[in-house]
Amino acid sequence: KQEVTQIPAALSVPEGENLVLNCSFTDSAIYNLQWFRQDPGKGLTSLLLIQSSQREQTSGRLNASLDKSSGRSTLYIAASQPGDSATYLCAVSGNAGGTSYGKLTFGQGTILTVHP
Amino acid sequence: AAGVIQSPRHLIKEKRETATLKCYPIPRHDTVYWYQQGPGQDPQFLISFYEKMQSDKGSIPDRFSAQQFSDYHSELNMSSLELGDSALYFCASSLGLAGRQQYFGPGTRLTVT
Repeated sequence: KQEVTQIPAALSVPEGENLVLNCSFTDSAIYNLQWFRQDPGKGLTSLLLIQSSQREQTSGRLNASLDKSSGRSTLYIAASQPGDSATYLCAVSGNAGGTSYGKLTFGQGTILTVHP
Repeated sequence: AAGVIQSPRHLIKEKRETATLKCYPIPRHDTVYWYQQGPGQDPQFLISFYEKMQSDKGSIPDRFSAQQFSDYHSELNMSSLELGDSALYFCASSLGLAGRQQYFGPGTRLTVT
């Protein structure tokens, strides 16, 4: 069974700092990995999608990397802003021997607070 | 661009009542996934459909059922509601099955009193 772990559970940084969020997964047989942002009580906003054959994806101040063999991904946020404050979720779409058909398994998330 | 539509956005029910949640995928998308997110929890996969057939099943209670219709919209039917069913219910759609990007709807917040 796929398990996804995110470290740290919470992070508080001053505005302007660069930061890294970590995600690890136990089964490397994945189709892709996605990073989401979720504001309190709101929906899921997809930030970046990395296919299993890719090493990284970039969007603006965000850069996500994937090391499938070691079961790790990182989300790098440059020059953080108070508006970046949210919960960041990592999710993997697994293969699991060809039986899971793409369902997403989520980590518990990292609660990020960027203070002015 | 059209997004995934979920209705209703908010729903309040009493214990033992039934609820029906609806999901309208992005046009041309043939796959629908349902997820449940309890308070302070990460989203958990419930069930998925591809071309109107159930493709995968997760931790969905027997009191819940779902289907995908000929126009590809999906409905999640929940009976004998319990307090623990209070959660955000997300629907996601994709074009094709395994490995395709899932696009999420805004969610339905169900409160059971």
